[in-house]
This record gives sequence, structure tokens and C-alpha cells, in this order.
Amino acid sequence: SQQGEEDPQALSIQEGENATMNCSYKTSINNLQWYRQNSGRGLVHLILIRSNEREKHSGRLRVTLDTSKKSSSLLITASRAADTASYFCATNIAGYSTLTFGKGTMLLVSP
Amino acid sequence: DAGVTQSPTHLIKTRGQQVTLRCSPKSGHDTVSWYQQALGQGPQFIFQYYEEEERQRGNFPDRFSGHQFPNYSSELNVNALLLGDSALYLCASSLGTGNQETQYFGPGTRLLVL
Repeated sequence: SQQGEEDPQALSIQEGENATMNCSYKTSINNLQWYRQNSGRGLVHLILIRSNEREKHSGRLRVTLDTSKKSSSLLITASRAADTASYFCATNIAGYSTLTFGKGTMLLVSP
Repeated sequence: DAGVTQSPTHLIKTRGQQVTLRCSPKSGHDTVSWYQQALGQGPQFIFQYYEEEERQRGNFPDRFSGHQFPNYSSELNVNALLLGDSALYLCASSLGTGNQETQYFGPGTRLLVL
């Protein structure tokens, strides 16, 4: 079963614009992670945010976590065509080291 | 530093056959997890191996089994293949089974069952 639910399912923007993707989940978590997947290939880890953190930055990425609303957002600033990919949020639940993924957001960045 | 590797990259099988997929973890990692990703879906956890034992298992039937070797590499076996087993199979490695560890994924094996 899917723990996370990304929104929107698909997003189309122009290069240079910002892209925001949201993730909602159902149960309490230890951490939430964002991954990128290009053309159905392997997943690339982007960022991990722990349940006691509210915001985290990595390069052009900014992730927020609101545990009271059980939601997270991923912001990609100044997007590039190379950012075109599917983005997944994955939650790590207490007592387990495995990840539960959402269905993902497909991002298309046009030159 | 070698990342996670998987073999083969693609595989075509017919219903009822058996398949074995292989994974070598990232250097220094000792835990391997397997995920199944159907088209248009997010990955679904199958099972996790640590110290050559299955530590956790997702909601998959017994047709899915695995093994971990002393060098930490792992195999995923699927018996009596069904059409619905067609998917991308991803292997992820990490250090230990701690829940704050980042999992690193391999490129996947794409299985097509005809």
C-alpha cells in the first residue's frame, strides 16, 4: 500500500521557473526522503529530513516538513531541463528501516 | 567508489518460469533491500536482508524469496511467474538496519513476463 501521496501527479514548467511538489502521508514517521528517477531507471537520493526538522536545503533544493499536517514539500529553484524526471517522497516509519513510497510527481522542464 | 550494481538490466520470461535477479551493494554497505516498481507506480518494498537473514518483509507472496551472501551481495528469486510480476526490480543498499540511514538504489532490472 502507498503511504505517501504526491501532488500534483504531473507538473510542466519553463526553465528558470521554480517547481513545487507536495507529499502527504498517513502515519507517524522517523524521516521523510525525496528521490528522483529519470526515465524509469534507478532512484537517486536527493534529501532526507528527520521528523524533528522543519526545513532543509541542498543546493537548489528546499524541503519542508510539517508533522502536524503530515505533509512535506520539495521546492526546486531555477529549474533546468535536466531536472525533468519523476520525483518520489518516501517515508521511514518507526521500528522499520525500509521505505514506503508515494506514486510520484512527473516534472517536465521545457527549455 | 562502486555504487549499487544489478544484473541483468533486462529480462524476458514466460508465465510459470522462475527468475533470479542479482545485486551487489555499495562498497561498505551490509544491508540490501529489494523493491518492485510497476509502471506508473512508486516502488513497493519486497524484503530486506542483513547478516544473511531476511529481516523484514513486505506484502509479497512466498513466490518471492531471496538470499544474501557473505560478501553482502543478494539475489531475488521469483517462482511461478505471473504476468503481473512484470516490473522494474530495484535493489537498495545501506549500512545497518538503522532507520535514519539513506538507502542507495541500483539502476534496476526490468522484467517482462509474457
